[in-house]
Amino acid sequence: AQKVTQAQTEISVVEKEDVTLDCVYETRDTTYYLFWYKQPPSGELVFLIRRNSFDEQNEISGRYSWNFQKSTSSFNFTITASQVVDSAVYFCALQRGSTLGRLYFGRGTQLTVWP
Amino acid sequence: GAGVSQSPSNKVTEKGKDVELRCDPISGHTALYWYRQSLGQGLEFLIYFQGNSAPDKSGLPSDRFSAERTGGSVSTLTIQRTQQEDSAVYLCASSLSDRGNQPQHFGDGTRLSIL
Repeated sequence: AQKVTQAQTEISVVEKEDVTLDCVYETRDTTYYLFWYKQPPSGELVFLIRRNSFDEQNEISGRYSWNFQKSTSSFNFTITASQVVDSAVYFCALQRGSTLGRLYFGRGTQLTVWP
Repeated sequence: GAGVSQSPSNKVTEKGKDVELRCDPISGHTALYWYRQSLGQGLEFLIYFQGNSAPDKSGLPSDRFSAERTGGSVSTLTIQRTQQEDSAVYLCASSLSDRGNQPQHFGDGTRLSIL
């Protein structure tokens, strides 16, 4: 069975702090894809990043960075120098390589950044 | 259009009535997905289409739920004899194909409230 766990339900930080959102996944597929989405208060899910299981290179995009480690089945997301606009619910998701299609979502982490 | 369009934005109806929710995907996207989001259940997959076919409808919660897609474009999700537990935000997403290297892009959702 596929499972995505985001153990942190809520995180609060003060602006300019760094924050890491954890994501642990389970799958028996050798090929799979991992995603992060952001859901601001307006409600729309916004795609942030995609990673396939064969690419363990970490990625940095501005203040965002992602750390993919197959050895620990983790795909963590770090926001550097957080800003109030980063306040949102962040979802980690898995797509199986064998069946494609649907995403398996974690329960999400509510991030609140205080000014 | 530029993004995934869903209508209506909000729907309030009485228990026992039928409802139809519409999704217009991004032009050129062959894959279309329905999910629902509720407080207690997080993000749940319902069904997805590749073209007009539905390779995976395993997430439909009961036979009161059905969906169709015509012309490889617009999709309609129908809920018959609505129940209070159907209250949720119904999200539609589309992607270029159902393969994992194509991220899913979400609409704003339809907030369904059953009285």
